[in-house]
Amino acid sequence: EPEVTQTPSHQVTQMGQEVILRCVPISNHLYFYWYRQILGQKVEFLVSFYNNEISEKSEIFDDQFSVERPDGSNFTLKIRSTKLEDSAMYFCASKSLGEQYFGPGTRLTVT
Amino acid sequence: DQQVKQNSPSLSVQEGRISILNCDYTNSMFDYFLWYKKYPAEGPTFLISISSIKDKNEDGRFTVFLNKSAKHLSLHIVPSQPGDSAVYFCAASEGNAGNMLTFGGGTRLMVKP
Repeated sequence: EPEVTQTPSHQVTQMGQEVILRCVPISNHLYFYWYRQILGQKVEFLVSFYNNEISEKSEIFDDQFSVERPDGSNFTLKIRSTKLEDSAMYFCASKSLGEQYFGPGTRLTVT
Repeated sequence: DQQVKQNSPSLSVQEGRISILNCDYTNSMFDYFLWYKKYPAEGPTFLISISSIKDKNEDGRFTVFLNKSAKHLSLHIVPSQPGDSAVYFCAASEGNAGNMLTFGGGTRLMVKP
């Protein structure tokens, strides 16, 4: 069964460093998403991406964040200068019609 | 901003009995609702969804009920099995095509053998 994959599973970085989180969505899906879950809090929407552009973004997704689909398979989230409060689980999701399918997540720890 | 709320942080049921998980929403523009199950260290796994044009959707042991006037939905699991023990998230979106999901805080279900 096709699934969304994410790498790395755990990323530790120092405050102020850039990180890139990678996702491979399900191959025939057209819509791509990033969500995050800070420990003990709700899963929060960050951004959606369709037809090679951002279709929607939340207040969390400020100028420090960017997304890219550099080729036909990868979908990346970049955080330019990480802050302590960026520490969270980051989930990638994709869909064609109907429900969104989530990857296993990347745990980002900013020290 | 609590547009989707799950008021019970945890629920414990006996194996074989019914589990009922509840979810309330405030945004009347939501018209598509989903339930996800999540195990520790994994991403949310889709379980079942319902469009606002329906009031019930069933898939095997899982049934979702939607009461639009009360802005309330529930997930019934019958019969409950120990493997169902997980955190269950309710989510909602405005429209189906490409739109963001707004999640509730989750309910931890424990099914005791």
